[in-house]
Amino acid sequence: EIVMTQSPATLSVSPGERATLSCRASQSVSSNLAWYQQKPGQAPRLLIYDASTRATGIPARFSGSGSATEFTLTISSLQSEDFAVYFCQHYIKWPPWTFGQGTKVEIK
Amino acid sequence: QVTLRESGPALVKPTQTLTLTCSFSGFSLNTSGMCVNWIRQPPGKALEWLARIDWDDDKYYSTSLETRLTISKDTSNNQVVLTMTNMDPVDTATYYCARTGTISGVVTGWFDPWGQGILVTVSS
Repeated sequence: EIVMTQSPATLSVSPGERATLSCRASQSVSSNLAWYQQKPGQAPRLLIYDASTRATGIPARFSGSGSATEFTLTISSLQSEDFAVYFCQHYIKWPPWTFGQGTKVEIK
Repeated sequence: QVTLRESGPALVKPTQTLTLTCSFSGFSLNTSGMCVNWIRQPPGKALEWLARIDWDDDKYYSTSLETRLTISKDTSNNQVVLTMTNMDPVDTATYYCARTGTISGVVTGWFDPWGQGILVTVSS
């Protein structure tokens, strides 16, 4: 099973600032990596797939990068609605398809 | 518009079997490449993928839970059913169903969209 490790666990950022979230895979997942945003009481929402492609309707301030074992989600200028928990997930061919433990982005 | 909705009991007793139904619209599990997954999230914790069923009836299960899980589909009614046997308080979680779609007939792998989730509490 591939273990996904996210850091930091909590990120304190002021509105308008840049946020950088990391996700590391225990073995290469190529570019088969997705990012999700989850707000309290809501289901996760797909932000990024294939490591760097924004899902439909996702603002350009969200960007993803990386490949193999190291990935980054960047939010260029945090808006109030961006304070949430973010999860990464790999989807190489065979299961289990695992998630990271999440990074909470909170208001500084 | 693709939507999914989970239904089932909010409370089950230890040792009982949980049966959850995912009702979906906006796509068909007869379409090549379409899949439906079950994913759960204990309160305040991370997401855990449980099972997936594909358009061709291939099924995949979490390694740690596969002896307790069964996934099936009712294509004519656009539903996917998950059963989990021998429920325990540690299985208390919000259970989500989510689609894995296709691009040009190739299964994509990510989960989009998700249902709203159903909180299942295991307690006597």
